Amino acid sequence: DTAVSQTPKYLVTQMGNDKSIKCEQNLGHDTMYWYKQDSKKFLKIMFSYNNKELIINETVPNRFSPKSPDKAHLNLHINSLELGDSAVYFCASSHRTEHYGYTFGSGTRLTVV
Amino acid sequence: AQSVTQPDIHITVSEGASLELRCNYSYGATPYLFWYVQSPGQGLQLLLKYFSGDTLVQGIKGFEAEFKRSQSSFNLRKPSVHWSDAAEYFCAVGSNDYKLSFGAGTTVTVRA
Repeated sequence: DTAVSQTPKYLVTQMGNDKSIKCEQNLGHDTMYWYKQDSKKFLKIMFSYNNKELIINETVPNRFSPKSPDKAHLNLHINSLELGDSAVYFCASSHRTEHYGYTFGSGTRLTVV
Repeated sequence: AQSVTQPDIHITVSEGASLELRCNYSYGATPYLFWYVQSPGQGLQLLLKYFSGDTLVQGIKGFEAEFKRSQSSFNLRKPSVHWSDAAEYFCAVGSNDYKLSFGAGTTVTVRA
């Protein structure tokens, strides 16, 4: 009965590879987010989708591409991985009209070697 | 653009002692303010939030926070910490474009 689930939990890959992280929420929320947490634990928003529409697109390399097939899913695809992409990526969801009651997933730790 | 400052990078407190974590925000309009906790290897859990009304907000796990507009602050407090409160604490501010901006976090260590 996990509310926001991300897979995989850990991802180790070589530079130059392409990888995807998947996120699913069963809370009935209409908005989903991707956040990146760097090695100093700083959290920065990357993308947000509301009802499958992209509403927030921060300054992120275009190697990162989000995809939302439906309201309950938001995936993150990363092309040509670089060492600097190593971080913990968090998915979150909320009702857009409920003042940011974000529910976070447990994170995906990406290590690029 | 909104921003959040958490002046204390690391706080060590004895079990049973009180805890206060500082948070200052910058936002032109009425802010939406939050405190989240992150245990090691876990995601973020919402402790409490402030939108309007009573400036003293009660949250889960015995935490409370007080909004002070004049000081642009939203400090988190707990009267008596437990060893399980050792974690990373994040203050965040929400804006009208539905973006949540986080502070850099405060690491809390609890000593026996």
